[in-house]
Amino acid sequence: DQQVKQNSPSLSVQEGRISILNCDYTNSMFDYFLWYKKYPAEGPTFLISISSIKDKNEDGRFTVFLNKSAKHLSLHIVPSQPGDSAVYFCAASGDNDMRFGAGTRLTVKP
Amino acid sequence: ETGVTQTPRHLVMGMTNKKSLKCEQHLGHNAMYWYKQSAKKPLELMFVYSLEERVENNSVPSRFSPECPNSSHLFLHLHTLQPEDSALYLCASSPMGGYGYTFGSGTRLTVV
Repeated sequence: DQQVKQNSPSLSVQEGRISILNCDYTNSMFDYFLWYKKYPAEGPTFLISISSIKDKNEDGRFTVFLNKSAKHLSLHIVPSQPGDSAVYFCAASGDNDMRFGAGTRLTVKP
Repeated sequence: ETGVTQTPRHLVMGMTNKKSLKCEQHLGHNAMYWYKQSAKKPLELMFVYSLEERVENNSVPSRFSPECPNSSHLFLHLHTLQPEDSALYLCASSPMGGYGYTFGSGTRLTVV
């Protein structure tokens, strides 16, 4: 069963605008959430994380929001840049498990 | 299941034991990866195999020994591990171009 879902396989955004990537999870035991970015032919690289005790974490142009009641998290990138074009994976972690979403391919158009 | 199967799901081993983790994919991918996920830390890439040849080894201690007998199978042989090696070990695979990267569910390893 898919405990972590990224329902949008792709997203296209104009340069300078906001990109919003969404992720839903089903397991209430998850307490740590991460976003990874992946370029073609490379492994995923860590981007930003958030603990379940917070509802927002910001790092430069990247902000992750966590809504525990809705079991939903989102990654906001603003302003979006062409170099942000990549596949973004959301991951959720608990004490004994970690699950990844299937990824969302973001394309930022100049 | 994601298409990448890891066994066992959980493993408890003593520091003097020898064990192996197995990863299997039938997605037609020809690159496979081992990652280590420690508690509350980002993923650490350990090994990369492309077309059954090891192309990356990120300064992993020799007590971890990978093996890729064919493009569908990847093993991680473990011997004389330390308690700090306790973690979730994730396998992933991808086509050569990198799109369609798929993770397995991981093996939760506890070293006692």
